[in-house]
Amino acid sequence: AQRVTQPEKLLSVFKGAPVELKCNYSYSGSPELFWYVQYSRQRLQLLLRHISRESIKGFTADLNKGETSFHLKKPFAQEEDSAMYYCALGYSGAGSYQLTFGKGTKLSVIP
Amino acid sequence: NAGVTQTPKFRVLKTGQSMTLLCAQDMNHEYMYWYRQDPGMGLRLIHYSVGEGTTAKGEVPDGYNVSRLKKQNFLLGLESAAPSQTSVYFCASSYQGSNTEAFFGQGTRLTVV
Repeated sequence: AQRVTQPEKLLSVFKGAPVELKCNYSYSGSPELFWYVQYSRQRLQLLLRHISRESIKGFTADLNKGETSFHLKKPFAQEEDSAMYYCALGYSGAGSYQLTFGKGTKLSVIP
Repeated sequence: NAGVTQTPKFRVLKTGQSMTLLCAQDMNHEYMYWYRQDPGMGLRLIHYSVGEGTTAKGEVPDGYNVSRLKKQNFLLGLESAAPSQTSVYFCASSYQGSNTEAFFGQGTRLTVV
């Protein structure tokens, strides 16, 4: 079955420290991986997707098919990065497409 | 451009009451989704639709029904609300499925007492 695992419920780092939010997935086909972010009192929004291979707000994520991981990284955390982060797996099957989310990691950046 | 709009934003129901949550999108998106968000559980897919007139079950469909009579609207119904349905409900839409961005509504906080 398709599954997304985010092992950390809460991650606290000091401002300026590196950040790594872990995400592992389980899917036998070709995965489509995303990171979504939810800032306080805002709606969930796309941060980045693996196919774009881009850096958004200093964050990057590399798809590692061997380790079935899509960890989110940032070299220097900022206070405005404090938010809830969700890793998501998109997959197709039986003529439809579903987007499955992990349980989320709350990132708290300490000033 | 309103994007994805959910109505209502808050609601308190008594056990056994029924209600309908409305999701409207103005982006001409084909796909629409309903999720529920619970502490420690992340977002779980309730039902989804790949186009007007179609619906399909997600991970946690029991106790909910949906309809997509118009492309821009996706309705989520609770026929007989239960305390276990206390949650924050999110609607999302996307242009198509594969590798496209999902746009989310602001959420509906539902409490069943």
